Parts: sequence; structure tokens; C-alpha cells
Amino acid sequence: QKEVEQNSGPLSVPEGAIASLNCTYSDRGSQSFFWYRQYSGKSPELIMFIYSNGDKEDGRFTAQLNKASQYVSLLIRDSQPSDSATYLCAVTRLLTSGTYKYIFGTGTRLKVLA
Amino acid sequence: ETGVTQSPTHLIKTRGQQVTLRCSSQSGHNTVSWYQQALGQGPQFIFQYYREEENGRGNFPPRFSGLQFPNYSSELNVNALELDDSALYLCASSLEAADEQFFGPGTRLTVL
Repeated sequence: QKEVEQNSGPLSVPEGAIASLNCTYSDRGSQSFFWYRQYSGKSPELIMFIYSNGDKEDGRFTAQLNKASQYVSLLIRDSQPSDSATYLCAVTRLLTSGTYKYIFGTGTRLKVLA
Repeated sequence: ETGVTQSPTHLIKTRGQQVTLRCSSQSGHNTVSWYQQALGQGPQFIFQYYREEENGRGNFPPRFSGLQFPNYSSELNVNALELDDSALYLCASSLEAADEQFFGPGTRLTVL
């Protein structure tokens, strides 16, 4: 089982629709959860972070966290063609040194059709 | 406020050579993490530096090494390059290790 799992896609949605991106993780001790957007050939860009169970909204984006189910999702409302990118889910893991590292999923490719 | 910068943008090396990649962290950030991203994969954690000390390492061999300087800029050194080292190398900075990380533009390394 991968530590962070995402459906690779592509997930195709029409312009104006809601895109729903999902991520599951294996380490129950993970405390922090992040969504990054990565355009082809570019570096990841932070979209959202969430630490507590429930929903967190920022503009057209909503992150949802359910620690009991080890599940985190990202909703994109009113999807635009410019949202077409790969979305990476990342969770933190505590290292023996006492610091944290990020573990990334392989990403879900989103295509918003005009 | 200056964001994370990396140099060079692209690099071509041959197998067996050594390479040094550089990163300047975002202003005020004292934690720098390095990642390797192969095509079609998510970034893989190489190591992390905090106040000039390596304080966490992923599953990479010792030929991957690094430094962090008093101004919190950082270097990634890779010795004895292998073909599989071809990837996008990303540097990310944060205030603390568990905080949100901000990535630089990356260095695309090609090993021939």
C-alpha cells in the first residue's frame, strides 16, 4: 500500500462544473495535509492546507479532511480551463530525528473542458 | 518579499560526474527541503536542513549530500551521477518543518 494514494486520472470536467479530487493516506499519525497544483514543466504551487477535521474554504477551493477515514479531498467550484493541471496531495510524517517530512502522492491530472 | 529561487534552470551531465544545485530560501524561512521528482511521479523527499544542520533524510544514498549556509541558502550535491538521477530537483522552504512549504522553480537535470 502506498503511503499517499491518488487516482492518476485524467479527471475530465466541463467548464463551470465542480471538480472533486481525492487522496487517502496510510499513516494515522499524519497531522498536516496540503494540496499543490503543478502545471506541466513547472514546480508545485501551494493551493490549500488543512490540519483539522472538516472543511476549509478559500475562494473556489474547499479542502475536506476526515482523519478517521484517512481521507482528504479538494473541491474546485466553477472549474476553469486554467485549472487544468496535476494536483498533488501531500501529508506530513514524523521522522525519528523529530522533524517532519512531506510525502506526496503521484498526483491527479485534471482537465477542464471549455 | 523574495520567493524561493534555484539555479541553474537546466543542467546536462554525463554518468559518473558530480553536480551542485543551489537554492535560496524565501525571506525569513530557516528550513529547506530538497526533493527529486521523476517524470509522472510525485516529489520524493531527499533531505531537510534546519539552521545549517541536516535534520531529516529520505531513502537516498550517501552520494546525495547537502549544505545549508548561515543565510539559509542551500546546496544539493550529487556524486557519481547515474542515468536514473535524471529528474526535476526541487527546493522548498518553510518556517518550520511541518509548516506549508513553498517551492522554487526547480532544476531539470539530465544525465547522459
